[in-house]
This record gives sequence, C-alpha cells and structure tokens, in this order.
Amino acid sequence: DQQVKQNSPSLSVQEGRISILNCDYTNSMFDYFLWYKKYPAEGPTFLISISSIKDKNEDGRFTVFLNKSAKHLSLHIVPSQPGDSAVYFCAGSGGGATNKLIFGTGTLLAVQP
Amino acid sequence: GAVVSQHPSRVICKSGTSVKIECRSLDFQATTMFWYRQFPKKSLMLMATSNEGSKATYEQGVEKDKFLINHASLTLSTLTVTSAHPEDSSFYICSFAPASTNEKLFFGSGTQLSVL
Repeated sequence: DQQVKQNSPSLSVQEGRISILNCDYTNSMFDYFLWYKKYPAEGPTFLISISSIKDKNEDGRFTVFLNKSAKHLSLHIVPSQPGDSAVYFCAGSGGGATNKLIFGTGTLLAVQP
Repeated sequence: GAVVSQHPSRVICKSGTSVKIECRSLDFQATTMFWYRQFPKKSLMLMATSNEGSKATYEQGVEKDKFLINHASLTLSTLTVTSAHPEDSSFYICSFAPASTNEKLFFGSGTQLSVL
C-alpha cells in the first residue's frame, strides 16, 4: 500500500523557469508533510514542510501547497537553478514533523542551463 | 545546523558476515531515531523506530533478529545487519528526531552496503 505517491518519476525544466513537483497521499491521518532533496549516495536534506492546518508555506524560492480535500500537495521552485537538480521526495507524517515519515517514490528534477 | 554522522559510508562484505552501521548526532540529543533503507531507484522505506533505552519497533516485513538496533544513548544508535546476504545490499540511512525542535528530522549521509 503506497500511502504517498509521486506519479512523475522525472521532470526537466529550463533554468529560470518554475518547477512544480506533485505528490498525492491516501492516509487521512497525516498531519504534517515534508519535502526532502536527495543526491545519490547521500542522505536526504530537508527543504520545506507544511502542517495539515495550512494550505501554503513559503521559504525563499520554495513554496509548498496543500489541498487536503484532494489529498494533494505540490512543491514549487521558482526560479529553478541547475543546482536544484536532484531527486525530490515528499513525505507524510501522522504525528508531527519529527515522527516517522512515509516517503513517496521520488521525482528526479533536472534543471537545464 | 544539526549534523548527523553516519559510518561507514560504504561497506562491501562477504555473504554470512555481520556489518555494523553507526549513527551519531553531533550537536543535539534525540530520544527517537528511525532507520530507513533505499533500494536502487526506489523510495526510502522505514525499517524501524527506536527510542533511547527501549527496544526498537520494527515495520512489517523487517526481521528484528536480522537487523539489530541499539539505541545506546541520546546521541548514538547502531544498526547491525547480521549474517548479511546479497538481498540485504541496499542504502541504509539513519534519522534523528531532535529533542529541542519538532520541525523536522535530520538524516545521516547513508551507508551503501554491498554483500557479495
């Protein structure tokens, strides 16, 4: 049972444009969602999170949107930079941001110069 | 920022041997830790949750006798893969939940285990 899904395994965008990464979930008990960035053979690096009581959280170039009725969240990166190229995982948690995370399958973002 | 040190980064071993992976938080204390593993081109799958001083809770399908977790202190946890087999080859990652903040988990840099 895949509780968190990222249906796009890869995404390619031009430098300076907006990157939109999508994530769907099935578990209604999730109360926190987080996005992590990961390079091969490295641990995930935290990017941004959102509580289920909010619908938007912004941090610099990164904005996360949450649509609870649709059980959908998205990460917007604008403007995209070549250094953003990595695998992005969304994750859901049922007990706050520091409880166990259920990760999606990841989306490989490639930002073309 | 918070740092989690994980060693070794890469290990190659023969089938049947045991491998210990160490994870240490360098500048914070954590009562709860998580161990994940990632197979190639797959997601990070939670293996177990451990709280300092108590036995780990394993996810369904994860053999507790094969993957021994010792949460020795608020800054140290180890994962021992006992009698490793080629199917155990994977990328193992630890994660700490800091006691001082509830904003996010901090992850180690991972250990690539290859069992021949």
